Amino acid sequence: KAGVTQTPRYLIKTRGQQVTLSCSPISGHRSVSWYQQTPGQGLQFLFEYFSETQRNKGNFPGRFSGRQFSNSRSEMNVSTLELGDSALYLCASSQWDRGKGYGYTFGSGTRLTVV
Amino acid sequence: AQSVAQPEDQVNVAEGNPLTVKCTYSVSGNPYLFWYVQYPNRGLQFLLKYITGDNLVKGSYGFEAEFNKSQTSFHLKKPSALVSDSALYFCAVRDGVGNSGGYQKVTFGTGTKLQVIP
Repeated sequence: KAGVTQTPRYLIKTRGQQVTLSCSPISGHRSVSWYQQTPGQGLQFLFEYFSETQRNKGNFPGRFSGRQFSNSRSEMNVSTLELGDSALYLCASSQWDRGKGYGYTFGSGTRLTVV
Repeated sequence: AQSVAQPEDQVNVAEGNPLTVKCTYSVSGNPYLFWYVQYPNRGLQFLLKYITGDNLVKGSYGFEAEFNKSQTSFHLKKPSALVSDSALYFCAVRDGVGNSGGYQKVTFGTGTKLQVIP
C-alpha cells in the first residue's frame, strides 16, 4: 500500500516568488491536512481538507492557500514568499469516519528554502 | 479550547533505563490520543493510539502509553531505552465526536526531544 507522497522533496525559491506543493494521500483517505514545521515554532497547523472543502484553517496569512481535488490529492500554495517561510511542510492523510479515531499518516515532507 | 501540553522540551535518559515522555491534554468529550515519532528530516510516524478500553496501550518499537482520565494525561513509556529511540516525539489529541459537520479537530503538542545516552 503506497504511503503519503509529497512532491517535491526539496525546493529552493527566491523571496517574492510563489510555490505550489503537492500531496497524494493514501488510497481511500479522504482527509488531508497540512502542517508547517520549523525549529523555533514546532508543528503549526495550516489547514485540513475533506471532500474538496476546507474544514479548518490555522493562523496563517492569506498568502497560504490550499485546495483538494476530487481524487483527494491536495496542493498548497504560498505566494510572495518570505524568508520566514523556509520550513518543512508536512502533509498528513486520514480516513474520515466519526467515532473510529483514525490517526494520521504523514508524508516525508517538502523542505522549502527561501533565499 | 482543545489543547495538548508536552511540558519537557527535552528528555535525557541512559540506554537501558526506563523512559517517560509526558503529555497532558484538554478536550471536550472523550478524547482520541496519539503518539507520533519523528526522525531527522522525516515526516512523523504513528506509534500508538488510545481510543477506548484498557488504559495501557501498547504500540510500535516496544513503546506503551498510559491513559489517565482523572489527570488528563497520556504519558509515553518504554521499559528499556535504546540509542535508536533518540528522536522527536509528538503527542496529539483528536476530539471524539466532532462538530455538527462531523469534523474532528486534531491538535499536536510542541514535541519532546528524546536523547538516549549510550
